[in-house]
Amino acid sequence: GAGVSQSPSNKVTEKGKDVELRCDPISGHTALYWYRQSLGQGLEFLIYFQGNSAPDKSGLPSDRFSAERTGGSVSTLTIQRTQQEDSAVYLCASSLSGITGEKLFFGSGTQLSVL
Amino acid sequence: AQSVTQPDIHITVSEGASLELRCNYSYGATPYLFWYVQSPGQGLQLLLKYFSGDTLVQGIKGFEAEFKRSQSSFNLRKPSVHWSDAAEYFCAVGANRQGAQKLVFGQGTRLTINP
Repeated sequence: GAGVSQSPSNKVTEKGKDVELRCDPISGHTALYWYRQSLGQGLEFLIYFQGNSAPDKSGLPSDRFSAERTGGSVSTLTIQRTQQEDSAVYLCASSLSGITGEKLFFGSGTQLSVL
Repeated sequence: AQSVTQPDIHITVSEGASLELRCNYSYGATPYLFWYVQSPGQGLQLLLKYFSGDTLVQGIKGFEAEFKRSQSSFNLRKPSVHWSDAAEYFCAVGANRQGAQKLVFGQGTRLTINP
């Protein structure tokens, strides 16, 4: 597609439920990133995928968070047993080859609200 | 590990006035530095970046930034702001080493423009 696409744009869920957030990167981009933007906070790195390499999961805040990337394209971020502190905007970005310092293209994000 | 500080959470300037947004970073070597802008309802967009060479870099929309190693700063400037510049601005630092592709972002500075 023309840009990074994320769905849904908004998600309201109840505490304790699982949610899945989807990211469709720009076609041909091998690197994919997930960030979280909480109210009044900067962007917090969550996870990074580069080609077939093992993902960098160093930013995942707990074992309730996981992500996968199928076929080197679409990625799904899963949050299990959601908590109110998980409420945030989840941003996905992709870049062409994942070279250090490369420009990131961001999606519009998924606004997650946990009631 | 690298880190970024944006000391100003919120700045208000009048349309036509000059602008400077502050960014300080922490990193042991020469970093990659970026400024991204997030307009309401839109994804983050790269304004400019610094890798090496000329310490004054020009970006889109009339923005520029200057890398000052002695001050560990990368402040963003614009001589005359327009109402459309109202947005959230994020400074980010990347490590210039393999395996460190993720960017670390500051907390952001929200810019309000008075007519």
